[in-house]
Amino acid sequence: GQNIDQPTEMTATEGAIVQINCTYQTSGFNGLFWYQQHAGEAPTFLSYNVLDGLEEKGRFSSFLSRSKGYSYLLLKELQMKDSASYLCAVRDNTNAGKSTFGDGTTLTVKP
Amino acid sequence: ETGVTQSPTHLIKTRGQQVTLRCSSQSGHNTVSWYQQALGQGPQFIFQYYREEENGRGNFPPRFSGLQFPNYSSELNVNALELDDSALYLCASSLAGGSSYEQYFGPGTRLTVT
Repeated sequence: GQNIDQPTEMTATEGAIVQINCTYQTSGFNGLFWYQQHAGEAPTFLSYNVLDGLEEKGRFSSFLSRSKGYSYLLLKELQMKDSASYLCAVRDNTNAGKSTFGDGTTLTVKP
Repeated sequence: ETGVTQSPTHLIKTRGQQVTLRCSSQSGHNTVSWYQQALGQGPQFIFQYYREEENGRGNFPPRFSGLQFPNYSSELNVNALELDDSALYLCASSLAGGSSYEQYFGPGTRLTVT
């Protein structure tokens, strides 16, 4: 099975940088996703890492270390609209890749 | 390209009743996964359908069942509703065997059991 841990809550200031960590134990790994979810809405895709290293996409970057079972999501130049829950999810190695989600990190961005 | 749609948006049911939730997958996708998301938690995998067959199931009892139709749309059925079934139900479509790794979520159905 899969076990995913991420902090429950984080607070940061507008314009700052925040790093959200995720650790996982898995029986079959085929990539790690980060999703953003605003209250009452569906998760939206942010990033996908399957190889070790850093993937950068605009203000958001995601890092993966498979040997350590560790990932982080880095958000730069924080904006108020970035206040949301950030979900880490591990994709398994079946054909269509079912995902196991962590409980999410609620990020609050303050002025 | 048509996105993932779900119906209804909201639903209120009484304990013991049955409910059917519907999902239309994104154009070109052949796989639908269903998730239950309780308040303050991440989505929990219920099951996945591929080519009209159940292709993997999470830790949910048999009263959670589903169907996938030839056009790849899907239904989630829950019998004998319990209070703890109150949650946001999400479906996500993807393409098995394709090069894309993404799954696209629908807007969800908010189920309240009283």
